[in-house]
Amino acid sequence: QKEVEQNSGPLSVPEGAIASLNCTYSDRGSQSFFWYRQYSGKSPELIMSIYSNGDKEDGRFTAQLNKASQYVSLLIRDSQPSDSATYLCAVRGSGRRALTFGSGTRLQVQP
Amino acid sequence: GAGVSQSPSNKVTEKGKDVELRCDPISGHTALYWYRQSLGQGLEFLIYFQGNSAPDKSGLPSDRFSAERTGGSVSTLTIQRTQQEDSAVYLCASSLAGGGWETQYFGPGTRLLVL
Repeated sequence: QKEVEQNSGPLSVPEGAIASLNCTYSDRGSQSFFWYRQYSGKSPELIMSIYSNGDKEDGRFTAQLNKASQYVSLLIRDSQPSDSATYLCAVRGSGRRALTFGSGTRLQVQP
Repeated sequence: GAGVSQSPSNKVTEKGKDVELRCDPISGHTALYWYRQSLGQGLEFLIYFQGNSAPDKSGLPSDRFSAERTGGSVSTLTIQRTQQEDSAVYLCASSLAGGGWETQYFGPGTRLLVL
């Protein structure tokens, strides 16, 4: 079992729709969770971070964390073609400083 | 301010040669991380530096890989006797103090191709 799992996609949504990206992790002691966006050929850039159970909203993005289910998700409202990218879920496990990344979900927003 | 910088941006080398990759973190950031991203894969942790502490080398895939950080700033990742499976994008990241809640900021990466 991978430490951080994501559906590789592609996830295709029409412009204006809500895109839902999901991630599960295996280390129950993990404390901090991050979503990075990576455009093709570019380096990852942080979209959201979340540390507590529940929802965290920032503009069109909402991160959701459920530690009991070891599940973190990212919702993108009013999806735009410019949101088309690979979204990487990253988890900082207990006692660790480095991040463990999922393999990413490729999102395609159709105009 | 300036972000994380890496050089070279691209490197093509022949199997068996040694390569050095450089990372210059954000000014004032004491934590520095090296990751590797193979084609279509997520990022794989390699090594972590925090201030003057001993580095966390737990992610290095073999003893052909080594890294150092001079003066608490610039870091060099060295791959000796390169193999074709070493071909990947090598990403460096830095954060303020290595705290568990901190954001890691990534550099543009070095794309390594071993022929």
